[in-house]
Amino acid sequence: QSVLTQPPSASGTPGQRVTISCSGSSSNIGSNYVYWYQQLPGTAPKLLIYRNNQRPSGVPDRFSGSKSGTSASLAISGLRSEDEADYYCAAWDDSLSGPGVFGGGTKLTVL
Amino acid sequence: EVQLVESGGGLVQPGGSLRLSCAASGFTFSTYSMNWVRQAPGKGLEWVSYITSGSSTISYADSVKGRFTISRDNAKNSLYLQMNSLRDEDTAVYYCARTAAGHYGMDVWGQGTTVTVSS
Repeated sequence: QSVLTQPPSASGTPGQRVTISCSGSSSNIGSNYVYWYQQLPGTAPKLLIYRNNQRPSGVPDRFSGSKSGTSASLAISGLRSEDEADYYCAAWDDSLSGPGVFGGGTKLTVL
Repeated sequence: EVQLVESGGGLVQPGGSLRLSCAASGFTFSTYSMNWVRQAPGKGLEWVSYITSGSSTISYADSVKGRFTISRDNAKNSLYLQMNSLRDEDTAVYYCARTAAGHYGMDVWGQGTTVTVSS
């Protein structure tokens, strides 16, 4: 059971807007930044969003992140077939002695 | 080119040990914090361990605490993960990842090395 909760799956058609949620608590999302990673099939994860809503250079502005209280969301607009991947949220957790925590991941299918 | 290359994975029996390495190139390794993240077959990501640039701060997930040891050699641009008392549930692809400058996201990842624990 992951500390951060994501829906296991999401789907959309090309051109649509899709959102993926990530729910946590006051010790992680509530008091720390949220990060999002994209993992294409058979590849290593890639940083998609940092500090809740910032995009690294090279990430299209179709991807956006937001945070409110103890929840965060990743939105993908103008959905494309190449967006089909697993998406993970992550955050540091002040209540844990270890490093940060990931959500369980959401598999996005482009129909 | 900024690059991380893991090595050292393989098949090991339960209770055995393995040492993973991660060779960094294309950036000033000694100034970055580093991480090990793993992914069991068909499962999600698990943040295993973290080490700051000068090794002053180290942390481990509860699932590996007391069995795994992270270390680095800045002179050799290398990150390591010593894994002892391995269990079936440690079977995974292990990635090393760089913590980005200025924030705590992991902005560079290696291709991963596979560890299989089985008798």
